[in-house]
Amino acid sequence: QSALTQPASVSGSPGQSITISCTGTSSDVGSYNLVSWYQHHPGKAPKLMIYEVSKRPSGVSNRFSGSKSGNTASLTISGLQAEDEADYYCCSYAGSSTLYVFGTGTKVTVL
Amino acid sequence: EVQLVESGGGLVQPGRSLRLSCTASGFTFGDHAVSWVRQAPGKGLEWVGFIRSKAYGGTTEYAASVKGRFTISRDDSKSIAYLQMNSLKTEDTAVYYCTRSGSGWSFDYWGQGTLVTVSS
Repeated sequence: QSALTQPASVSGSPGQSITISCTGTSSDVGSYNLVSWYQHHPGKAPKLMIYEVSKRPSGVSNRFSGSKSGNTASLTISGLQAEDEADYYCCSYAGSSTLYVFGTGTKVTVL
Repeated sequence: EVQLVESGGGLVQPGRSLRLSCTASGFTFGDHAVSWVRQAPGKGLEWVGFIRSKAYGGTTEYAASVKGRFTISRDDSKSIAYLQMNSLKTEDTAVYYCTRSGSGWSFDYWGQGTLVTVSS
């Protein structure tokens, strides 16, 4: 099972919106509405930002939103803030044999 | 407050074994599945393995890269999950995170991680 494909880096100015894509296959992203997104500040514990494609856990800012079309999921961060600068990973359920596949990760830079 | 604390990491020679522990608090540990996820230096996250709650049989699943070498177990009476790593390879060098399984096959809480270095 290959990793899901994400852009290596995405950048934006404060207040702007950015979108991170996460491309898989019909065996993972395309088959299940079970995509989650994680924010990871190096040296800290990763944090769940989105689950089941578009649901936000309690306490996560509504500036973060998720969507999916076909084999590609997306995370949008609106009103970009300095604290959003981090690595972001998508993850999809991939069936009973593999269970999980992560994305390659995207470094978000706030200019 | 939900907390997951990993321990047991360190330097180990190739071919040797190491056991990591994940001590949980702030929730009913036995009600949740637990996964281990790792991050090699400069690389992305990789799912390692998973243990279901006893209500779902307490069975385990593993990534192909560790299957047959790694074993996950749990002691619900102590709120601890274990990752037994045997026949370690240099490519197993990584920070290992313990995670709690949440809704929709997500990982809703993570520990801070413990570093495992496999080197001679």
